[in-house]
Amino acid sequence: SQQGEEDPQALSIQEGENATMNCSYKTSINNLQWYRQNSGRGLVHLILIRSNEREKHSGRLRVTLDTSKKSSSLLITASRAADTASYFCATDDSSYKLIFGSGTRLLVRP
Amino acid sequence: SAVISQKPSRDICQRGTSLTIQCQVDSQVTMMFWYRQQPGQSLTLIATANQGSEATYESGFVIDKFPISRPNLTFSTLTVSNMSPEDSSIYLCSVGAETQYFGPGTRLLVL
Repeated sequence: SQQGEEDPQALSIQEGENATMNCSYKTSINNLQWYRQNSGRGLVHLILIRSNEREKHSGRLRVTLDTSKKSSSLLITASRAADTASYFCATDDSSYKLIFGSGTRLLVRP
Repeated sequence: SAVISQKPSRDICQRGTSLTIQCQVDSQVTMMFWYRQQPGQSLTLIATANQGSEATYESGFVIDKFPISRPNLTFSTLTVSNMSPEDSSIYLCSVGAETQYFGPGTRLLVL
């Protein structure tokens, strides 16, 4: 079963704007990861944040984690048309089994 | 990160038949996982396939329907048995522990 929900389900922005996606989960976690999926293809790993971390950056990506609220956010700054994809958060406990959120479909308009 | 390939990339099958999906990794890995992504949905873990032991299945998935082999540290197969249209999905393998890397997926359509 899915760990939690992501919102919004769909997001449409103009190129150059920032995109923020949120993920909520239900149980205690070891790590939280964000993945990107283009047009039903394989998943691309974007970033991992551990349960004892609060914020992490990678290029134009910024991830925050609030374990007290069981939530995470992914911010993509200065978006590009190539960022158009579905974005999923995934949590794991110490067993490394990933439980995925419902996903956000991002459309970046040129 | 590991380079992962899957075969076939897509297939159209008749109900009642079976399809075996292959997952090949370019390096030896201990942990390998199989996921299913139904149309328009998120990913759900089917099973964990570790070399030298029986696959461990998640709730709702059984070995008779999704038999898995893991003959060595670079290869695994997932068979979708006695298929029905409800099995139409993308099937993905992944490898790794803390950070998991995914294959390109096998898109299956059952008529």
